[in-house]
Amino acid sequence: DVKVTQSSRYLVKRTGEKVFLECVQDMDHENMFWYRQDPGLGLRLIYFSYDVKMKEKGDIPEGYSVSREKKERFSLILESASTNQTSMYLCATKDPPGQGDYEQYFGPGTRLTVT
Amino acid sequence: AQSVTQPDIHITVSEGASLELRCNYSYGATPYLFWYVQSPGQGLQLLLKYFSGDTLVQGIKGFEAEFKRSQSSFNLRKPSVHWSDAAEYFCAVGPRFGNEKLTFGTGTRLTIIP
Repeated sequence: DVKVTQSSRYLVKRTGEKVFLECVQDMDHENMFWYRQDPGLGLRLIYFSYDVKMKEKGDIPEGYSVSREKKERFSLILESASTNQTSMYLCATKDPPGQGDYEQYFGPGTRLTVT
Repeated sequence: AQSVTQPDIHITVSEGASLELRCNYSYGATPYLFWYVQSPGQGLQLLLKYFSGDTLVQGIKGFEAEFKRSQSSFNLRKPSVHWSDAAEYFCAVGPRFGNEKLTFGTGTRLTIIP
């Protein structure tokens, strides 16, 4: 079974802090994704990565950056946290196009509160 | 641009009753289609997916969905719901070619009453 883990289930940070959210997968998937989930808005893609050191912006990248130094780990960085970044953050992984079952596998999520 | 509409924000059904959750999409070509379920405090789990072939697809937990190209719909159904089906349900579409971005609907929250 694919296992996607996220470093924290709940996180409380202060405005202006630098925040790191970590995601680790054990299935050797090349593609990894960061979403945020807000009530009434569904899931929105922040960034995704299709290889080590490769990244692409999603729909809402402003205020975020990412890092992928190793294949199994994809980090989401909030350079200076703001209250409007209070949300649930979900990491997902999948095989690249043409391989595997096309399913995105999700981690349990990190609920971030910025005060 | 692609979009997914789930018109029902919240649905309440009695245990044992049938269920249908609606999903409509706007896409340039026939996409890949998915339904995910999210139990409280959990990540998303895939219920079922449609790629091609038979337009009625079976998933886990007794769910099924029907792809109707003419209506751009992919509605999720279950003949008899159980209290454990209470959760939030997301419809998603993705491209057959190119980048891997999935577009999600806003979700439908399902409440089950005894």
